[in-house]
Amino acid sequence: EAGVAQSPRYKIIEKRQSVAFWCNPISGHATLYWYQQILGQGPKLLIQFQNNGVVDDSQLPKDRFSAERLKGVDSTLKIQPAKLEDSAVYLCASSPARLAGGGDTQYFGPGTRLTVL
Amino acid sequence: GQNIDQPTEMTATEGAIVQINCTYQTSGFNGLFWYQQHAGEAPTFLSYNVLDGLEEKGRFSSFLSRSKGYSYLLLKELQMKDSASYLCAIMNSGYSTLTFGKGTMLLVSP
Repeated sequence: EAGVAQSPRYKIIEKRQSVAFWCNPISGHATLYWYQQILGQGPKLLIQFQNNGVVDDSQLPKDRFSAERLKGVDSTLKIQPAKLEDSAVYLCASSPARLAGGGDTQYFGPGTRLTVL
Repeated sequence: GQNIDQPTEMTATEGAIVQINCTYQTSGFNGLFWYQQHAGEAPTFLSYNVLDGLEEKGRFSSFLSRSKGYSYLLLKELQMKDSASYLCAIMNSGYSTLTFGKGTMLLVSP
């Protein structure tokens, strides 16, 4: 079974530029998550989708971050404009849970390492 | 809100046993996960506890006490490849979101 796919794996941009990350979850997984992991810390949830609807985006900095999952499968996360403090690894995860609160295990992709100069 | 505490770093010797503790405070609890993360790689699932007690899976075991807000991950017969960060995460009731601790970096030496 193919795992969670993410691209690009690495990205270097200047502050105030924009950047987009792509994620393709495990086939059949209804729930998709985007996390931000700053060096030396655990992942922090940015947004959770159930199919193509947003379940939780309470920690997403909505003035600069946006995400979509239009067809309920793959997803993009965008940052515009980027700040120095956005330098981090952006992890995508998916789980089979079809109902909120299902408690399923989340499976992570390899992540995108973003460096903002 | 949630608060999760785990040691920042631990060291151990190949072949030994090590216990990584995790304490937590949360307003809604739907289980506790342990993930392993090697440097530069994605977290990989190790264990899930939702009821009190010990779950054993090969060389790895995980324990949960909900009344004490406490869990530990026990690694036996340590191997060099076990050098990694170990992340404790609470699954929140409601939307099954995970809140992660900062992780414990385990260094296994020969």
